[in-house]
Amino acid sequence: ETGVTQSPTHLIKTRGQQVTLRCSSQSGHNTVSWYQQALGQGPQFIFQYYREEENGRGNFPPRFSGLQFPNYSSELNVNALELDDSALYLCASSPERAWDTQYFGPGTRLTVL
Amino acid sequence: AQSVAQPEDQVNVAEGNPLTVKCTYSVSGNPYLFWYVQYPNRGLQFLLKYITGDNLVKGSYGFEAEFNKSQTSFHLKKPSALVSDSALYFCAVRASGNTPLVFGKGTRLSVIA
Repeated sequence: ETGVTQSPTHLIKTRGQQVTLRCSSQSGHNTVSWYQQALGQGPQFIFQYYREEENGRGNFPPRFSGLQFPNYSSELNVNALELDDSALYLCASSPERAWDTQYFGPGTRLTVL
Repeated sequence: AQSVAQPEDQVNVAEGNPLTVKCTYSVSGNPYLFWYVQYPNRGLQFLLKYITGDNLVKGSYGFEAEFNKSQTSFHLKKPSALVSDSALYFCAVRASGNTPLVFGKGTRLSVIA
């Protein structure tokens, strides 16, 4: 059974650019949630995808968008990057929209200059 | 809206001594409570959760937590700390239904040999 994987590990972008982060869910999981963890803070919920549909969204602007594919892997896209977008981005997979059984990936560290 | 407070940014404890990491929460209705641990350059690892039932919850690696409804607390405990327990610990809460986790800011535990 493979765990949750994320790519890339690290990424450096400049303000105004766009970025795509990727997440492969754990085998058998059809739900992926994305979180932003700023330095010194706890993770903040961005959105969740279940069977390729958005299933809830946190307090993030529309320039944060996502996709889920038929194999349940997922992408997080951020447009018009701002300095405050610098953070560790975590994805978590779970079965059937289960909030209580989430398995987290190692994260992607995004730095915006 | 739900919220979590972890009043201590840092907890230092000697190896072999008991440890406590504090957490208080605010949520409408019955709380679903969680503890996660994060090691450097790693994602979050699930330790334990309280959904219902016995107020004392036992989790991974010898950790336990006690749910106290009157004090709205869910403190993490371990009878004998190990140096390898040194990490960042997050408490999280969610309300019932299709609601996401809300995390605290985290407490850095340092166990000194």
